[in-house]
Amino acid sequence: SQTIHQWPATLVQPVGSPLSLECTVEGTSNPNLYWYRQAAGRGLQLLFYSVGIGQISSEVPQNLSASRPQDRQFILSSKKLLLSDSGFYLCAWSVHGYYGYTFGSGTRLTVV
Amino acid sequence: SQQGEEDPQALSIQEGENATMNCSYKTSINNLQWYRQNSGRGLVHLILIRSNEREKHSGRLRVTLDTSKKSSSLLITASRAADTASYFCATDASGANSKLTFGKGITLSVRP
Repeated sequence: SQTIHQWPATLVQPVGSPLSLECTVEGTSNPNLYWYRQAAGRGLQLLFYSVGIGQISSEVPQNLSASRPQDRQFILSSKKLLLSDSGFYLCAWSVHGYYGYTFGSGTRLTVV
Repeated sequence: SQQGEEDPQALSIQEGENATMNCSYKTSINNLQWYRQNSGRGLVHLILIRSNEREKHSGRLRVTLDTSKKSSSLLITASRAADTASYFCATDASGANSKLTFGKGITLSVRP
């Protein structure tokens, strides 16, 4: 069965520190992968999506970057965190066609 | 930018009542999806309706789509306390399921 793993669940980081959030998918090949951010009480903002290894599309200019070193691995990174990077980060995957997205359980990032 | 806008922003009903949530969007879509999010968790896909469909059912869920009005509604019948969650509509304009745009969500509270 297909599963998605996202970790850590919560993270408190100081301003200026680096960030690495990892997401892995099991049970499917060549998925579309996504990073979303959700601010408190708001909808989801698409940050990055990838349709294949090494293929990353950025939706919003920001302090973050993403990489897809393997087919089922998606990494969200920052060299220096800002206070405004705080939020709930969600990884998701989908396949081509009329299917919904499957989301990970999310990472609550607090930059202090 | 957010494509879908849900209405109302918050809804409180008594257990057993029906809950109706609406979503409007701005541009042409290939399909529209509804998701549910329990507090602090990832999103769960509920139902997908294609642009050439007008109504779809899944258990206690009924979704309608009016492409001429660029709107959709989600009806939850015979609500339960466990239906308490945030509900999001999301639109796929590309047709390749490569990028969903989410609304800000509706907070549904079902009182026991």
